[in-house]
Amino acid sequence: SAVISQKPSRDICQRGTSLTIQCQVDSQVTMMFWYRQQPGQSLTLIATANQGSEATYESGFVIDKFPISRPNLTFSTLTVSNMSPEDSSIYLCSVDRGANYGYTFGSGTRLTVV
Amino acid sequence: DAKTTQPPSMDCAEGRAANLPCNHSTISGNEYVYWYRQIHSQGPQYIIHGLKNNETNEMASLIITEDRKSSTLILPHATLRDTAVYYCIAINTGTASKLTFGTGTRLQVTL
Repeated sequence: SAVISQKPSRDICQRGTSLTIQCQVDSQVTMMFWYRQQPGQSLTLIATANQGSEATYESGFVIDKFPISRPNLTFSTLTVSNMSPEDSSIYLCSVDRGANYGYTFGSGTRLTVV
Repeated sequence: DAKTTQPPSMDCAEGRAANLPCNHSTISGNEYVYWYRQIHSQGPQYIIHGLKNNETNEMASLIITEDRKSSTLILPHATLRDTAVYYCIAINTGTASKLTFGTGTRLQVTL
């Protein structure tokens, strides 16, 4: 199965600052997905990142707040900008390995904004 | 993608079979049923998927009703390590698919 390396695993940040989360996949994938999981909640899709094009954001998420880069087929970053305590969540990246294998998820980044 | 409905929580004794139900009454013919689980503080993990036939792998079995309106994930011999939130998702993998997670079932395996 595909291996996803996500970092940092956790961070504590000051409000008003930004944090960039990195995801590295050990094989080339067309799409990468970024999710947010707020405390005690299920996962919510933030955006889909395609290599060579702008990311597609879900309702309620905007590029200015969550800019995404996808410079190649194995790497993506998500930035959480101008953070507030409400951004405290676990952020996860994911890739689709095809119909027979399902989606693989990174281990997540636990973000606390103080 | 079809909406799925799951009970919010279930308990199971260790060593017994855990049967987790999922309702997907509006599922369309080209949508698969996928199951994932999320153990505390980890990313979700793929378990199994199926279209209309029952499926079994090293982790679990998936029973899909003939009308495909519901399914059951079976963990044949639950262990404490199976304590997790289990998500049932109906998805058309033929399109540019994105997983949409519901609230899932929190399975607590006890001694």
